[in-house]
Amino acid sequence: KAGVTQTPRYLIKTRGQQVTLSCSPISGHRSVSWYQQTPGQGLQFLFEYFSETQRNKGNFPGRFSGRQFSNSRSEMNVSTLELGDSALYLCASSFLTVTNNSPLHFGNGTRLTVT
Amino acid sequence: KNEVEQSPQNLTAQEGEFITINCSYSVGISALHWLQQHPGGGIVSLFMLSSGKKKHGRLIATINIQEKHSSLHITASHPRDSAVYICAVRRMGGNQFYFGTGTSLTVIP
Repeated sequence: KAGVTQTPRYLIKTRGQQVTLSCSPISGHRSVSWYQQTPGQGLQFLFEYFSETQRNKGNFPGRFSGRQFSNSRSEMNVSTLELGDSALYLCASSFLTVTNNSPLHFGNGTRLTVT
Repeated sequence: KNEVEQSPQNLTAQEGEFITINCSYSVGISALHWLQQHPGGGIVSLFMLSSGKKKHGRLIATINIQEKHSSLHITASHPRDSAVYICAVRRMGGNQFYFGTGTSLTVIP
């Protein structure tokens, strides 16, 4: 069974640009969540999708958005990039929605560098 | 204010030692996760707990809901256990995830 796949692995952008990251969950998993990891703030929850609906959202500005498609694949978009958006972006998939806890399966992440 | 506190931040052990990492949290939770992150970034979920105790190989995780505390134990530690261990809680009601800052473990042969 294939794991969670995130693309691209590395990305370099300049301030003001926008970026789209992709996450393909494990087959059969309908929940996808996104996280930002920086040396200063550690891991922080961005948002979670289930069946194409955003179910939960962390404390990030509106520049961070996402969506989920009918095949459960998810994309995350960051507009008007700032230097502070440089981070490792991780996604995780799970079998059930947030109200029914199930283990998380993480992708290897996308490392975004904003210059 | 951190909803999740981990200790210690850094830990160095000799191979074979028994290791304990602690996690305290301040919110009501529906579940607590222990995660392992190796250099390079990949995260593996070790345990998900809502009560009691779980064991997987040399790893044991316990949780005390009343005291809002969890521990991760590693028996007979090995250099391949060297990684960052992160405690994460899913808040009850709001369902947000909160993360500890991680414990960096180094096991010396």
